[in-house]
Amino acid sequence: NAGVTQTPKFQVLKTGQSMTLQCAQDMNHEYMSWYRQDPGMGLRLIHYSVGAGITDQGEVPNGYNVSRSTTEDFPLRLLSAAPSQTSVYFCATTSAGANEKLFFGSGTQLSVL
Amino acid sequence: GENVEQHPSTLSVQEGDSAVIKCTYSDSASNYFPWYKQELGKGPQLIIDIRSNVGEKKDQRIAVTLNKTAKHFSLHITETQPEDSAVYFCAADTGTASKLTFGTGTRLQVTL
Repeated sequence: NAGVTQTPKFQVLKTGQSMTLQCAQDMNHEYMSWYRQDPGMGLRLIHYSVGAGITDQGEVPNGYNVSRSTTEDFPLRLLSAAPSQTSVYFCATTSAGANEKLFFGSGTQLSVL
Repeated sequence: GENVEQHPSTLSVQEGDSAVIKCTYSDSASNYFPWYKQELGKGPQLIIDIRSNVGEKKDQRIAVTLNKTAKHFSLHITETQPEDSAVYFCAADTGTASKLTFGTGTRLQVTL
């Protein structure tokens, strides 16, 4: 049982390049989300999904796309990377039921030059 | 939307002392308040959470208190140990635990 798996762990991009951050979970959780973490700003929600085929925007969605074709996977796409997207990205899943809790992956550190 | 403020940003305590981190929130509809611990190079890990139907929750050396009237909640760590050194984040949500709003974090250092 791996929990929430993020790949890659580190990535360096040039401005304008595109890439996809992968996130996979084996906990059968319906809710998945992406956060970015920047110094002094905590974690901010980018996009989230309440189930396969359903996604919605969070606090800072601009410059990012998501899709949710399966329960297990929730990739985050940067179509044209910008230096402002240099950050640490965390994927998370939420357990269902009355006692919901949010669980994070180990993160992807992205640098855009 | 929700706004969560967290204080202090850094906290240094001696081993064995207590540490207290405080958060305030703005949305009176928020009813779920988790705390996360993040060690260097790792993702945040849930250490304790509280829902608005209780005022206090304790788990060994860690406790969380909630004052809904004043819209603030606090993390209390007693008998601190070096392994408690990390960054701690508070958060708030209106109930689904899927769209948390986080505080800006507190770097706790426990010195020998």
